[in-house]
Amino acid sequence: AQRVTQPEKLLSVFKGAPVELKCNYSYSGSPELFWYVQYSRQRLQLLLRHISRESIKGFTADLNKGETSFHLKKPFAQEEDSAMYYCALSGGGGATNKLIFGTGTLLAVQP
Amino acid sequence: EAGVTQFPSHSVIEKGQTVTLRCDPISGHDNLYWYRRVMGKEIKFLLHFVKESKQDESGMPNNRFLAERTGGTYSTLKVQPAELEDSGVYFCASSQRPGGVSYEQYFGPGTRLTVT
Repeated sequence: AQRVTQPEKLLSVFKGAPVELKCNYSYSGSPELFWYVQYSRQRLQLLLRHISRESIKGFTADLNKGETSFHLKKPFAQEEDSAMYYCALSGGGGATNKLIFGTGTLLAVQP
Repeated sequence: EAGVTQFPSHSVIEKGQTVTLRCDPISGHDNLYWYRRVMGKEIKFLLHFVKESKQDESGMPNNRFLAERTGGTYSTLKVQPAELEDSGVYFCASSQRPGGVSYEQYFGPGTRLTVT
């Protein structure tokens, strides 16, 4: 079955500390992985996707097919990083490209 | 450029009533998706339109849910009759026509549906 697992509901860190939001997936095929973020009172928006292999707002994520993981990392957290983060997988076959989401992790960066 | 819009932002109805949610995608986006987040659970896919055609409706929970996209522009999602378990946030997203690589899905602000 296709599934995305985010084991942490809440991750609280202090400003300047490293951050790692965990994401594991289950998918039979070649997945496309994403991280979406929802800041307070804002809509869900794409943060980064694995095929881009880029760093956005200091965040990076590497697809590890052996461990079926796509963890999101940032070396030094900022208060403005506080938000809900969702890991998502694109799959389902055909041309639908529907997103399969994890349950999300709330990142709280303390001053 | 205007983003994806959804109406209403919040709807409170009684069990057994009917509610219609509307989504206006970004102009020119052929693909329109509906998702739902029920309290405490993950955001789940409901269905996908390509223009006015339903590409995938495998996520629709039951026949009380009816989605339409007449003319390939805006879409409506009707729940009739509503049940308590239908409460949640309904998201709409749109993307350009996929061409072998997934296009970014742009999300609307969501409609919070409360069934009492």
